[in-house]
Amino acid sequence: DAKTTQPTSMDCAEGRAANLPCNHSTISGNEYVYWYRQIHSQGPQYIIHGLKNNETNEMASLIITEDRKSSTLILPHATLRDTAVYYCIVRASQGTYKYIFGTGTRLKVLA
Amino acid sequence: DGGITQSPKYLFRKEGQNVTLSCEQNLNHDAMYWYRQDPGQGLRLIYYSQIVNDFQKGDIAEGYSVSREKKESFPLTVTSAQKNPTAFYLCASSGQETYEQYFGPGTRLTVT
Repeated sequence: DAKTTQPTSMDCAEGRAANLPCNHSTISGNEYVYWYRQIHSQGPQYIIHGLKNNETNEMASLIITEDRKSSTLILPHATLRDTAVYYCIVRASQGTYKYIFGTGTRLKVLA
Repeated sequence: DGGITQSPKYLFRKEGQNVTLSCEQNLNHDAMYWYRQDPGQGLRLIYYSQIVNDFQKGDIAEGYSVSREKKESFPLTVTSAQKNPTAFYLCASSGQETYEQYFGPGTRLTVT
């Protein structure tokens, strides 16, 4: 399973876009990029995932570079409720049910 | 409402006692998982089960045991052999279509 590297922490002003980077330089062709977030003392919440195309849903956008070695999660208009730890995970498309969680990025949205 | 339930939210035990954490899901998911989280750390996989009556060890299975007798239930027993059992325990499940995992609210276990 490919490993991911994320900044330990980031701040973002309320109402501005939050851009959370993730490096996954050892990703292989069949591995998806998943993003989850964990609000303090709760279970992680699924946000979005993608293989190579950019993806958007009601929560966020996921931008994956052409070489797939890095990605960025974008929260377009951050609110105070988006303050959480964000995890970037790489997982194979088939054959494994395992995620490997790193320590994630602690995003603090400032009023 | 479909989802995953874990009970209780807080659990206190004396050292040397076994304790069982419950996890129930009504999402009709085949796969279920148990994770452990220590303060300031990410999640580490304890056990997972892809189908009823089958389960595999994760990265930190020592001192833990599980069973999967029903699709909806995946209880975790923290045995007295687990050297440092105080932690936040999270249960999750996933379907076969997208593999995204749905997490329960967690159980915070304190052993003194």
